[in-house]
Amino acid sequence: DTGVSQDPRHKITKRGQNVTFRCDPISEHNRLYWYRQTLGQGPEFLTYFQNEAQLEKSRLLSDRFSAERPKGSFSTLEIQRTEQGDSAMYLCASSQRTGDPTDTQYFGPGTRLTVL
Amino acid sequence: LAKTTQPISMDSYEGQEVNITCSHNNIATNDYITWYQQFPSQGPRFIIQGYKTKVTNEVASLFIPADRKSSTLSLPRVSLSDTAVYYCLVGDEGNGQNFVFGPGTRLSVLP
Repeated sequence: DTGVSQDPRHKITKRGQNVTFRCDPISEHNRLYWYRQTLGQGPEFLTYFQNEAQLEKSRLLSDRFSAERPKGSFSTLEIQRTEQGDSAMYLCASSQRTGDPTDTQYFGPGTRLTVL
Repeated sequence: LAKTTQPISMDSYEGQEVNITCSHNNIATNDYITWYQQFPSQGPRFIIQGYKTKVTNEVASLFIPADRKSSTLSLPRVSLSDTAVYYCLVGDEGNGQNFVFGPGTRLSVLP
């Protein structure tokens, strides 16, 4: 199965450190999304790419957050100078833009970040 | 972006049919309605999607009235493994931020 994969699954870091997460989408999907989810809440949109272009960024995405998708395949999400409030599950999803109004996103298992 | 409203939680028993209703009063013409299921420590999983009337697949049915201001996810004969959070979303693929997740409905299936 070539579903969405994320690495690492868990990350514990100290406040002030930088962390980087990786997402590998479903191979034929041209759209890739990042979300953040805290306990008891639904996922919150952070940003998305179509191929290698980052098309939208949420206001939630502070200057400490940066995402890349250099070759239009995998993507990385980096958080600089982590804060305790960054502790959350970071979810990646991918979809294939076909021109139809539907856009089914397929989610990965997430990376759980704990900032001490 | 169309906002959705769902019950925060529901309880059911094994073998019963569960209906979860979602309100989306300001749904736009191009918006589709999509439901996701999420288990703890996992990413959301697509269940079903529709535009109007009724859609059925192997796991659920989706009922959408003519005015499309609400929708109902129907899960037939639930089992303990259906205990999860269910999210209703509306949007179209033209807007990358179209998927606005609310807190979802926490379904607990009891033996």
